[in-house]
Amino acid sequence: GIQVEQSPPDLILQEGANSTLRCNFSDSVNNLQWFHQNPWGQLINLFYIPSGTKQNGRLSATTVATERYSLLYISSSQTTDSGVYFCAVDDYTGGGNKLTFGTGTQLKVEL
Amino acid sequence: DAGVTQSPTHLIKTRGQQVTLRCSPKSGHDTVSWYQQALGQGPQFIFQYYEEEERQRGNFPDRFSGHQFPNYSSELNVNALLLGDSALYLCASSFLGQPQHFGDGTRLSIL
Repeated sequence: GIQVEQSPPDLILQEGANSTLRCNFSDSVNNLQWFHQNPWGQLINLFYIPSGTKQNGRLSATTVATERYSLLYISSSQTTDSGVYFCAVDDYTGGGNKLTFGTGTQLKVEL
Repeated sequence: DAGVTQSPTHLIKTRGQQVTLRCSPKSGHDTVSWYQQALGQGPQFIFQYYEEEERQRGNFPDRFSGHQFPNYSSELNVNALLLGDSALYLCASSFLGQPQHFGDGTRLSIL
C-alpha cells in the first residue's frame, strides 16, 4: 500500500507565527485530504487537494502530485490552531477508497 | 444538514465482552468507512461498506465485523475484546469517491 510520511512530528509556535507542514507519499494518488484533529478528538476536514493550491482564510495548501508531496501553510497562528494535523491519501488497493493517514504533526501554539 | 453522527460517545467494557458501535452517514452519502485510532497514532482503516456489502478491508482480525443497512447507516461489532482494542473509533462517510467526512468518534476503553 501507499506510505505517507509527515514532517515535522512536533512543532511549537508563538501566537502570530507562520508554519509549513509537509506530507510525502510513496505513489501517485487521486485524492489527498488535510485534517485537523482538535484536543477533543474531532477530525475536521481542512482541504481536499489532489493537486494545485487552495486557500481558506489563514490556511492554504499546495499539492505537487508529480513530485508526491503536499504542503499545509498556517499563517498568523492562533492558540485554537493547536492539535494534530494529518494528511491522508486515497488508496484504491482492494477496490474501495480507504484513506491512508500520515503519522501526523502535533502543533502547539503558545501565547 | 446533519453531519456524520456516531453513538455512543464513550464506552467502557471488560476483556472478553462484545461491543457494537453505530454510525449514521452525512445526508446524501452512501459509503461508510470505519477507522481505529490508538493513542498517539493516526487512524487505521478497518473496513468500508457500500451497497450493504463490505467493499474493502484493512488488516484487522475477524473479531471485527460490520454491517450496513438499507438507509446507509452502519454498525461496527468487535467480539472477544482485548486490552489493545482500547481506542477512538471513527466513522467516515462519502459519496462516489468524494472526500470522506468524519464523525466525532466513539472512545472505547477496555478494562
